Amino acid sequence: AQSVAQPEDQVNVAEGNPLTVKCTYSVSGNPYLFWYVQYPNRGLQFLLKYITGDNLVKGSYGFEAEFNKSQTSFHLKKPSALVSDSALYFCAVRDMGRAGKSTFGDGTTLTVKP
Amino acid sequence: GAGVSQTPSNKVTEKGKYVELRCDPISGHTALYWYRQSLGQGPEFLIYFQGTGAADDSGLPNDRFFAVRPEGSVSTLKIQRTERGDSAVYLCASSLTGEGVEQFFGPGTRLTVL
Repeated sequence: AQSVAQPEDQVNVAEGNPLTVKCTYSVSGNPYLFWYVQYPNRGLQFLLKYITGDNLVKGSYGFEAEFNKSQTSFHLKKPSALVSDSALYFCAVRDMGRAGKSTFGDGTTLTVKP
Repeated sequence: GAGVSQTPSNKVTEKGKYVELRCDPISGHTALYWYRQSLGQGPEFLIYFQGTGAADDSGLPNDRFFAVRPEGSVSTLKIQRTERGDSAVYLCASSLTGEGVEQFFGPGTRLTVL
């Protein structure tokens, strides 16, 4: 079985401050990990992924995420938030040994205030 | 190039009716996925196709739900005897392969069962 937890329904930060959106996961084997973003009235867009290799992954729009195997976490980060980063963020996990099926968290709404 | 498209964008039907939802994946993508997203929740996996075959249909909630992809491109999700609890946004995604790669999502079909 695989699962994802996004413990915060909402994260609020001021523009220019660093942001973190938390994600923890559970899989039977080794994980593939993903972050997606959903803007209002638009489909989910891929941000970044961890497959293997470096624990720090860099993605689109200046976002990065750090894979921590011991803590089973994959937190999304950005050094300096923009108002335009305000959106709904989803973390997803897939068991490396099971092609196809991804399990998503329930999402975290990020609000960046000017 | 063109992204994943889904038709219709909205579908309103009455309880007990049959509905079909269509997905056109990105050209050349061998993997296709269907998810269901309810308000305030993340996408819930329904079924995964690799080519023409359903490689994993473990997410289909019951035998009222069925999906096909006869030529390995367009897919149709079919729901028989719809119930009010089927109301949700149905998302389709495609990826180049089924292994460790990001999924590209369509805008979704909002299904409302009255």
